[in-house]
Amino acid sequence: GQQLNQSPQSMFIQEGEDVSMNCTSSSIFNTWLWYKQEPGEGPVLLIALYKAGELTSNGRLTAQFGITRKDSFLNISASIPSDVGIYFCAGQITGGGNKLTFGTGTQLKVEL
Amino acid sequence: GAVVSQHPSRVICKSGTSVKIECRSLDFQATTMFWYRQFPKQSLMLMATSNEGSKATYEQGVEKDKFLINHASLTLSTLTVTSAHPEDSSFYICSARDTGLGEQFFGPGTRLTVL
Repeated sequence: GQQLNQSPQSMFIQEGEDVSMNCTSSSIFNTWLWYKQEPGEGPVLLIALYKAGELTSNGRLTAQFGITRKDSFLNISASIPSDVGIYFCAGQITGGGNKLTFGTGTQLKVEL
Repeated sequence: GAVVSQHPSRVICKSGTSVKIECRSLDFQATTMFWYRQFPKQSLMLMATSNEGSKATYEQGVEKDKFLINHASLTLSTLTVTSAHPEDSSFYICSARDTGLGEQFFGPGTRLTVL
């Protein structure tokens, strides 16, 4: 099935640094979602975006829905050790049976 | 927040046996649930859409006779991996769509190991 491309694939950053990751698609989505998954667990929703150009924050997290509706980015400010995990974007098409298409994932490792 | 449970959390079985995994929405109704498979260091791949009271819809390449899905109530969907083989070893994750809110909530996953 289709997958969304995420970059970077992984990143190793210092505690306190800001982090940026993005997600691109060859097709348009009506909804963009960002999830975090920790080892051995299911993904947890971080931010949902419903409109092109929308910029939404959730604490230290900020995400934007690209104007073309084919991309989205997630920023994490002042990273802390508990930010470690794999971050997935997911796209959804209205009328597409509510199915989610997941990105390839960005693994974040934080150095103390 | 809405809670989705999966049982068992991990299971080890012999090749050729069948394994049933349950997905329950604990505090909301879900007419639609989804089953995903995730191999190590990979993303979640949708296997099928489970619809309460009707047949599941399978994604291309997923064998419906091997992965049996039953969604008999508004809070329970089951995935049965029939005649499991080592290549079926994976992390199986379900999600449930809150019928009222429209949002999807994910279960904690089931680790299947086939020997």
